[in-house]
Amino acid sequence: AQKVTQAQTEISVVEKEDVTLDCVYETRDTTYYLFWYKQPPSGELVFLIRRNSFDEQNEISGRYSWNFQKSTSSFNFTITASQVVDSAVYFCALSEALRDDKIIFGKGTRLHILP
Amino acid sequence: DAGVIQSPRHEVTEMGQEVTLRCKPISGHDYLFWYRQTMMRGLELLIYFNNNVPIDDSGMPEDRFSAKMPNASFSTLKIQPSEPRDSAVYFCASSPDRVNEQFFGPGTRLTVL
Repeated sequence: AQKVTQAQTEISVVEKEDVTLDCVYETRDTTYYLFWYKQPPSGELVFLIRRNSFDEQNEISGRYSWNFQKSTSSFNFTITASQVVDSAVYFCALSEALRDDKIIFGKGTRLHILP
Repeated sequence: DAGVIQSPRHEVTEMGQEVTLRCKPISGHDYLFWYRQTMMRGLELLIYFNNNVPIDDSGMPEDRFSAKMPNASFSTLKIQPSEPRDSAVYFCASSPDRVNEQFFGPGTRLTVL
């Protein structure tokens, strides 16, 4: 069975602080894909990153970075020097794409960046 | 590219009425997904299609819900009769294949009174 756990329901930080959103997943497959999506207050779901299980290199995109560790089944997301515009709900998701077309989403972490 | 298009953006209806939500996926995408989002249950997959064929509808809550995809550029999700507990945001998403990310539409906010 697939499972994605985002233990942090809600986080508040002051602007310019760094913040890490945790994501832990469960899968029996060796080939799988991990995703992060952002849902700002306007409501749309915006794709941020996709990572396949064979690529454990950390990814950096501007102020965003992702730490993929298969040993701990985690795919954590860090925002450096947070800004108010980063306030949103962030979803981690898992796909066992070789056996299933579906993406399983975590419950999301609501991030508040305080000015 | 216009992205995934959903209509209407907002729908308010009375209990017992039929509701039809519409979705136009991104051209060339073979997969189309319907999700429902509520505070209590989060993001739930209702049904998805591959090349216009329904593959998995195990997430459809009950017989009041039905979905169709008559062609590659159009899908509908119908609720008949609607109930207050159906109030939610309904998202449509499309994907070019099974390993790539899904692209979401803006959602339809449904309120059933």
